[in-house]
Amino acid sequence: EAGVAQSPRYKIIEKRQSVAFWCNPISGHATLYWYQQILGQGPKLLIQFQNNGVVDDSQLPKDRFSAERLKGVDSTLKIQPAKLEDSAVYLCASSLAASGIPDTGELFFGEGSRLTVL
Amino acid sequence: RKEVEQDPGPFNVPEGATVAFNCTYSNSASQSFFWYRQDCRKEPKLLMSVYSSGNEDGRFTAQLNRASQYISLLIRDSKLSDSATYLCVVNRMDSSYKLIFGSGTRLLVRP
Repeated sequence: EAGVAQSPRYKIIEKRQSVAFWCNPISGHATLYWYQQILGQGPKLLIQFQNNGVVDDSQLPKDRFSAERLKGVDSTLKIQPAKLEDSAVYLCASSLAASGIPDTGELFFGEGSRLTVL
Repeated sequence: RKEVEQDPGPFNVPEGATVAFNCTYSNSASQSFFWYRQDCRKEPKLLMSVYSSGNEDGRFTAQLNRASQYISLLIRDSKLSDSATYLCVVNRMDSSYKLIFGSGTRLLVRP
């Protein structure tokens, strides 16, 4: 079974530039998450989708970050304009949960997109 | 105070040692608890769930103390391959079910 796919794996940009990350979850997974992981810290939830609806985006810096999951399958996360403190790994994860409550608590993560902002 | 707190380590132990990690959480309404493992420059993966009665999976034992709001992970007979960061994960149920990750405890197992 294919896992969660993310691209690009690495991106280097200068501050004030924009960047977009793409995620394709495991087939059939209703819930999709974007996490930000800064070096030395645990993953921090940015936004959670169930199908194509936003369940939680309370931690998303909406002045510069946006995300969409138009057809309830793949998703994009955009940062515009980027700041130095956005340097992190952006992890996409998916789970089977159809009602928002995972059966097992198992999130399946992609390999992440590593962003460096200079 | 962080919602999920862990000792960052690193814990540096010899092969064969027993090592324990603790994690505390602040939300008394949390119902689900997990340990995830994250290898260097890799994505997190579920190691095991933590049940109220405690549970074991081979060399790994997880315990939950709801009264004190802490979770523990015990690794017996450490292997070199156990070297990783162990993330404590707790659910928060407000407008939705979400998983909150601790910062992780780094384990180094030396020959």
